[in-house]
Amino acid sequence: DQQVKQNSPSLSVQEGRISILNCDYTNSMFDYFLWYKKYPAEGPTFLISISSIKDKNEDGRFTVFLNKSAKHLSLHIVPSQPGDSAVYFCAANLFRGAQKLVFGQGTRLTINP
Amino acid sequence: KAGVTQTPRYLIKTRGQQVTLSCSPISGHRSVSWYQQTPGQGLQFLFEYFSETQRNKGNFPGRFSGRQFSNSRSEMNVSTLELGDSALYLCASRLGGGDTEAFFGQGTRLTVV
Repeated sequence: DQQVKQNSPSLSVQEGRISILNCDYTNSMFDYFLWYKKYPAEGPTFLISISSIKDKNEDGRFTVFLNKSAKHLSLHIVPSQPGDSAVYFCAANLFRGAQKLVFGQGTRLTINP
Repeated sequence: KAGVTQTPRYLIKTRGQQVTLSCSPISGHRSVSWYQQTPGQGLQFLFEYFSETQRNKGNFPGRFSGRQFSNSRSEMNVSTLELGDSALYLCASRLGGGDTEAFFGQGTRLTVV
């Protein structure tokens, strides 16, 4: 039972344009959500998070939107840069105060010059 | 401020052996979580330690165990290794309590032959 899903295995975007990465979840008990960026053979790098009580969080070029009724979140990167090319993971946390992250399968983002 | 340090980076073991992986969290962080990444299963939660106590456990067999020391450093042990245990093992450090961001180390690549 995959509780967090990233349905697009890959996404290709032109440099300077907006990248939109999507994530769906099934468990309404998740209390916060995170996005990570990962290069091969390295650990994930934290990008941005959002609490389940908010619908938007912004940090520089990165904005995360949460739609609780649709159980959907998205990460917007504007403008996209070549260095953004990586695999992006959406993660959701199940227990308030403690941590048990449930990860999606990842989306490979490629930024084309 | 130093990041999360995992040792060793690479390890090759034989089936049936046991292995111990080490994780030093960011200074001041009290929560350490462990994750396994494989191509087939993605990133999966193993367990979380906070103040030397296991607070959460994922769906892994008892061959996977861990502990946390008073200085917050953590070790993960896998006994009776199987070929399927070959994976990237990631440690995540968190301040603890109600904060959300988890910071990952570079991981230990374990190969079981």
